[in-house]
Amino acid sequence: DTGVSQNPRHKITKRGQNVTFRCDPISEHNRLYWYRQTLGQGPEFLTYFQNEAQLEKSRLLSDRFSAERPKGSFSTLEIQRTEQGDSAMYLCASSYSSSSSYNEQFFGPGTRLTVL
Amino acid sequence: DAKTTQPPSMDCAEGRAANLPCNHSTISGNEYVYWYRQIHSQGPQYIIHGLKNNETNEMASLIITEDRKSSTLILPHATLRDTAVYYCIVRVAWPDQGGKLIFGQGTELSVKP
Repeated sequence: DTGVSQNPRHKITKRGQNVTFRCDPISEHNRLYWYRQTLGQGPEFLTYFQNEAQLEKSRLLSDRFSAERPKGSFSTLEIQRTEQGDSAMYLCASSYSSSSSYNEQFFGPGTRLTVL
Repeated sequence: DAKTTQPPSMDCAEGRAANLPCNHSTISGNEYVYWYRQIHSQGPQYIIHGLKNNETNEMASLIITEDRKSSTLILPHATLRDTAVYYCIVRVAWPDQGGKLIFGQGTELSVKP
């Protein structure tokens, strides 16, 4: 068990460019979450997947954001036409949950995005 | 919005117990209390959770008041490595609502030598 991994760890881009982040969850985890964290604030929920199905999206997830989890394993988060306000830490978490139990979420180290 | 209130910061001497309070006066009967912490530049880390009974694990103890309107996270012998932001989170247990976590501002704990 290597934990949740995220790549890249840091990304610097210019305003208007597209960026894509990848999250590899713990292998047996069926749920995958994306959060965003700005400086001095707690993480904010963006979206989550159960297997390959995206079941909830926050209103924070504008049309420029899209997330996928095509085979129910790794996930990607793409931001199109980046804006300076998109600068943040993007965190991925995974968990195993069934109809009868919740389990805690394990977080990755995050991808820090800086939009110039 | 977060359903919890925590002090923004606390100090603790190394080796002493750190007691972190959390108010969740609007908690519902189907909601758990969860604690996570976030060490600088890392992702949040799960600590402990409980419904109404006190809980203990290798990291910490969780004391929930009888009316469930507040709780205290106890780190029995704080070390410098416990310096972090601690988040108290109320999360629906049933029916399944996906399990998303709603973080507040948390308490920044500084453990000093």
